[in-house]
Amino acid sequence: EDKVVQSPLSLVVHEGDTVTLNCSYEVTNFRSLLWYKQEKKAPTFLFMLTSSGIEKKSGRLSSILDKKELFSILNITATQTGDSAVYLCAVFRYNQGGKLIFGQGTELSVKP
Amino acid sequence: DGGITQSPKYLFRKEGQNVTLSCEQNLNHDAMYWYRQDPGQGLRLIYYSQIVNDFQKGDIAEGYSVSREKKESFPLTVTSAQKNPTAFYLCASSTGGLGDTQYFGPGTRLTVL
Repeated sequence: EDKVVQSPLSLVVHEGDTVTLNCSYEVTNFRSLLWYKQEKKAPTFLFMLTSSGIEKKSGRLSSILDKKELFSILNITATQTGDSAVYLCAVFRYNQGGKLIFGQGTELSVKP
Repeated sequence: DGGITQSPKYLFRKEGQNVTLSCEQNLNHDAMYWYRQDPGQGLRLIYYSQIVNDFQKGDIAEGYSVSREKKESFPLTVTSAQKNPTAFYLCASSTGGLGDTQYFGPGTRLTVL
């Protein structure tokens, strides 16, 4: 059965800390891996990764994919209270029309 | 503004009643999706539609129904057969194709009393 597992499930840090969120997957017909940020409403898109070893960056956030180890990480440097959210990892599987398979999410809380 | 709208934001219903959640998009996206989110769990796919007048069951379709009569609209009906309907419902859309990004609406929180 296809699955996406995120760790840790929750994390509390202080402003200025650097955090690493993990996502491992076992998905047949893998096409891409996506990261979303959810702040009590609609998830907003962060990154889509399709190739191993190529880092994607957006400000203080960065992400990389390892297709050999079936793993991705999301890094946030110099965290701010506005980074507090649930971070969702999802894998797009192209099979029978294609669909996203989501992990449970990591709840990040950044304290001032 | 282009985007996905869902209504209502909050919905309360008595047990045994059917309820329909609205999802509209003006992004000209071909594909639309319905997810359910429960506390401590990721999103689970209920139904999806790759094209008008066609839709497929997702992982947890029992107790739900959908229609796709127009490209911009994909309403979800939560029927009385759904055993535990209280949840946060998210609608998404995408251009379709391989490995593409899904964009989400603001969600509807359904509470069945």
